[in-house]
Amino acid sequence: DAGVTQSPTHLIKTRGQQVTLRCSPKSGHDTVSWYQQALGQGPQFIFQYYEEEERQRGNFPDRFSGHQFPNYSSELNVNALLLGDSALYLCASSPKTGGISYEQYFGPGTRLTVT
Amino acid sequence: AQKVTQAQTEISVVEKEDVTLDCVYETRDTTYYLFWYKQPPSGELVFLIRRNSFDEQNEISGRYSWNFQKSTSSFNFTITASQVVGSAVYFCALSEGNNNDMRFGAGTRLTVKP
Repeated sequence: DAGVTQSPTHLIKTRGQQVTLRCSPKSGHDTVSWYQQALGQGPQFIFQYYEEEERQRGNFPDRFSGHQFPNYSSELNVNALLLGDSALYLCASSPKTGGISYEQYFGPGTRLTVT
Repeated sequence: AQKVTQAQTEISVVEKEDVTLDCVYETRDTTYYLFWYKQPPSGELVFLIRRNSFDEQNEISGRYSWNFQKSTSSFNFTITASQVVGSAVYFCALSEGNNNDMRFGAGTRLTVKP
């Protein structure tokens, strides 16, 4: 049973560029959340997708956007990259329970470096 | 607003010692969920436990135990007979009842020395 998978593993971009990160949830899960984890800090909630819609959003600017596909996989897009966007981006999926506050299973993350 | 505080930034113990990781939370909701996650050097967050606000029973799982006290808004995590492979960053997190925003603490880096 495959867990949450994310691609790519590492990414280096230049300030001002755009990036797309991808996530496939654990089998049987329908809710996907994205988190940003800066070095030495805890993960911060970006947004959550359920039934192909953004259900909730954290305190992140509109440069951060996402999408969920019918197969429950998800993408995170970041436009106009800033140096401060350098971080580990974590995807987490939740079981088919309506997704509220049940345990989230995390992927290995994508390490984004903006130069 | 929800908030999680892990006052211990780093803890170092010798193998086989017991260690307790502290977690204090703030919330205005009566329904909420508390979590502990482990993040080894590989980076992937590993789920350890979930506890809802209506269940104050302490839990033991092998060498892990959790002490949930609503009176002090704390959800502490104890590892008995620590092992070197247990070296990781441990995060406490909180979700309020209808809020899908899981709020994490800053984490406690545990180093277990041989």
